[in-house]
Amino acid sequence: DAGVTQSPTHLIKTRGQHVTLRCSPISGHKSVSWYQQVLGQGPQFIFQYYEKEERGRGNFPDRFSARQFPNYSSELNVNALLLGDSALYLCASSPRGQGTYEQYFGPGTRLTVT
Amino acid sequence: AQKVTQAQTEISVVEKEDVTLDCVYETRDTTYYLFWYKQPPSGELVFLIRRNSFDEQNEISGRYSWNFQKSTSSFNFTITASQVVDSAVYFCALSEAIGYGNKLVFGAGTILRVKS
Repeated sequence: DAGVTQSPTHLIKTRGQHVTLRCSPISGHKSVSWYQQVLGQGPQFIFQYYEKEERGRGNFPDRFSARQFPNYSSELNVNALLLGDSALYLCASSPRGQGTYEQYFGPGTRLTVT
Repeated sequence: AQKVTQAQTEISVVEKEDVTLDCVYETRDTTYYLFWYKQPPSGELVFLIRRNSFDEQNEISGRYSWNFQKSTSSFNFTITASQVVDSAVYFCALSEAIGYGNKLVFGAGTILRVKS
């Protein structure tokens, strides 16, 4: 079975621009979470979605938004990009939104803001 | 809030040596889950293990073993007879309820370099 897929792999944007990152979960998984990983640090939680509803939000500004589609895929949107948004954005899927099932991560999208 | 501390920033060993990666956590929850993930240079986080707070039995999987000690809030990871392919960043993580869901709180990671 295919794992979590993310697109694009790499992205270069300019300050002030907008970006959309995409994620497809493992087949049968209904929960998707987004994490930001700045170089040299552990991933930081941004959002969790389950059954198309937001289940949790981390400490990120309103410039960050996300949604989940009926097929459980998800998009992360970031507006008004700042240099500090440069990071690896990881998507993770799990079979449930409740409980603490293991989360399976995709390869990530590396975003560079210049 | 939950916190995970991985005090070892970087460890270098020679192939076939045993190595232990330390993880100490803080939580006020009575029920919680701990995880270890491996991040090779490709960047993808690879799930290694999940352990719930009620199960303090040590676990062994091939060359990997985990020692969970609730009394010291530690969940250490040992690689026996390390190999070059073990070189990666290893993250310890703790579950935390947020909103109507859950998130993982990660430590800063330990870089493991295994030299041949």
